[in-house]
Formats: sequence, structure tokens, C-alpha cells
Amino acid sequence: ETGVTQTPRHLVMGMTNKKSLKCEQHLGHNAMYWYKQSAKKPLELMFVYSLEERVENNSVPSRFSPECPNSSHLFLHLHTLQPEDSALYLCASSQLHGATEAFFGQGTRLTVV
Amino acid sequence: EDQVTQSPEALRLQEGESSSLNCSYTVSGLRGLFWYRQDPGKGPEFLFTLYSAGEEKEKERLKATLTKKESFLHITAPKPEDSATYLCAVQAKWDTGRRALTFGSGTRLQVQP
Repeated sequence: ETGVTQTPRHLVMGMTNKKSLKCEQHLGHNAMYWYKQSAKKPLELMFVYSLEERVENNSVPSRFSPECPNSSHLFLHLHTLQPEDSALYLCASSQLHGATEAFFGQGTRLTVV
Repeated sequence: EDQVTQSPEALRLQEGESSSLNCSYTVSGLRGLFWYRQDPGKGPEFLFTLYSAGEEKEKERLKATLTKKESFLHITAPKPEDSATYLCAVQAKWDTGRRALTFGSGTRLQVQP
């Protein structure tokens, strides 16, 4: 596999459920990101991990909990979400230095009911 | 605070009708400006990185240019398959501590046959 892979592609969950989104990058990058994309709004940064350390946390509610066990994997753990959390969740990776363009996965379309 | 404003919000062209998309930005210490293409329900696809004013990049029918305050994405003789949302993003210099990209809202381009 190449690039950035996200699973699942689609997720429907109730407000009391707990679920996790998974992201895996095969590009040898050392920074990984979670973005949220809602209709009619720009991509919103949620979390940045650099060398497996969280370096940015953009005032995201605690019902979203990231985990980065190594430089290739990133998770977003979800619990007690609200309907307004329904969105496309995008994972990206990049290098820290040199060419720093981010490459994105296909996203997880999350619907909270 | 880094800001990116894209215009127009939506653009409808006839096949072969050339045009330009605008991206105005404010960032203290520009590391790079990025253009992405996003198809519905998919993650953004990387197109170009521009690092300094006066720089230009080309790919097929697309050409990106950069000044100190804005970037343009020129589309020459577009085809229906160029229909997508085009996103502009900026990245601040690494030593500012801001490592992630700041995105604009995008321009939705529709090319009619």
C-alpha cells in the first residue's frame, strides 16, 4: 500500500457509543494531523503529532482523544459525541523539514445520530 | 493569526474557457503556500507548493503563481474532469511553533461540456 489510508470510510454512531478512527501512512513521514471538514467551512485543524509527540491541540473537546503509537499510525478515539460532530474527518502526514506538503487520506465520513 | 481567503466561492466555466482562482493570505513568516484539489467525498489531493514571491509551478492545464499577498491558480482551456473544489493553504515557518496548514474555504469549479 502507498500513501495515507483511513478506516473506516463511513461510520454511523449513536451519541453514547465509543468508536475509533484509524490512519496509517506509508510515506515515511514524521508528522501526522487530524483535520475536521464540515459543510461550507474550511478544514479545521484538530491535532498535530510530531515525532509521536502531540505538538498542537486546537481547543478540541475532550470527547475527541488522539493517540499516536508510532510515526506511521494515528488514531482518533470518539466517545459521547454530539450530532454537530458529524463531518468528514481527514488524516494527513508530512515531513517536518524540507518539502513539507501534507498528503491526505480519503477521510472518514462520520454521522452521529 | 494566519488567514486564507479564496475567491470566487464558486465558478462555472464552459469547456475551453480559461480563468483564474484567487487566494489571498495573511501569515507571519510564510514557509509555503499549497494548492490542493478535492473531489466530493474524498480527501484533498496535493497539486503545488510555492515558497517565495515570483515563483510559478505548472501541471497540465494548471499554473500556480505567488506574490507577497496572494496566489493565483490559472486554469487554461479547462475540461469537465477539472471540475472539483480547489483549496489553498498556508504554512508558517517552523520556528513559529505553528506546524499545520491553514486552509481557505475553497473555490468550487464546475466545467460544463
